[in-house]
Amino acid sequence: TQLLEQSPQFLSIQEGENLTVYCNSSSVFSSLQWYRQEPGEGPVLLVTVVTGGEVKKLKRLTFQFGDARKDSSLHITAAQPGDTGLYLCAGAGGTANAGGTSYGKLTFGQGTILTVHP
Amino acid sequence: KAGVTQTPRYLIKTRGQQVTLSCSPISGHRSVSWYQQTPGQGLQFLFEYFSETQRNKGNFPGRFSGRQFSNSRSEMNVSTLELGDSALYLCASRLQGSNTEAFFGQGTRLTVV
Repeated sequence: TQLLEQSPQFLSIQEGENLTVYCNSSSVFSSLQWYRQEPGEGPVLLVTVVTGGEVKKLKRLTFQFGDARKDSSLHITAAQPGDTGLYLCAGAGGTANAGGTSYGKLTFGQGTILTVHP
Repeated sequence: KAGVTQTPRYLIKTRGQQVTLSCSPISGHRSVSWYQQTPGQGLQFLFEYFSETQRNKGNFPGRFSGRQFSNSRSEMNVSTLELGDSALYLCASRLQGSNTEAFFGQGTRLTVV
């Protein structure tokens, strides 16, 4: 069974501070996705990382995929109140079964609830 | 380009009833997956459909079922509802094949009373 451990579970910081969220697993994933979810809404895809060691930047957000493709991190620089939300990492991997190989199953971490105070 | 559309947004049902939820994927996307989100368990995979065939299934009882139509729209059904089935049910749409980027709908909030 593939599991993703996400930490920390809760993060409460002041505007302007930096933060890092971690996502770790003992399993290898073919890709890893980061989502942000607001209450009552579906998760919104932020980024997909595919290659081990890959680093992607999205404005003040920096995403990194571990060399072994088992872990990832999300770093936010100078956090703003608009960054408040639930951040989720999700690993994707091919699952072989009778119908062929399925890539549709995402394994999610438990999420990090980020609150940025003005 | 329209996103993933889930209907209805909210639903209240009584224990023992059954419910059907609908998902229309992004145009051109052929894979649809369903997830259950609860505060205690987080997001858990229910099943995936591609080309009208179930390709993968999570660890949920047989009361949870689904199907996909030729236009890629999908429905999921939960029979004999239990209080513990109260959750946000999310549908995710993917292009096809090994492309793993999944785009989620807004979800259906199901409350079982």
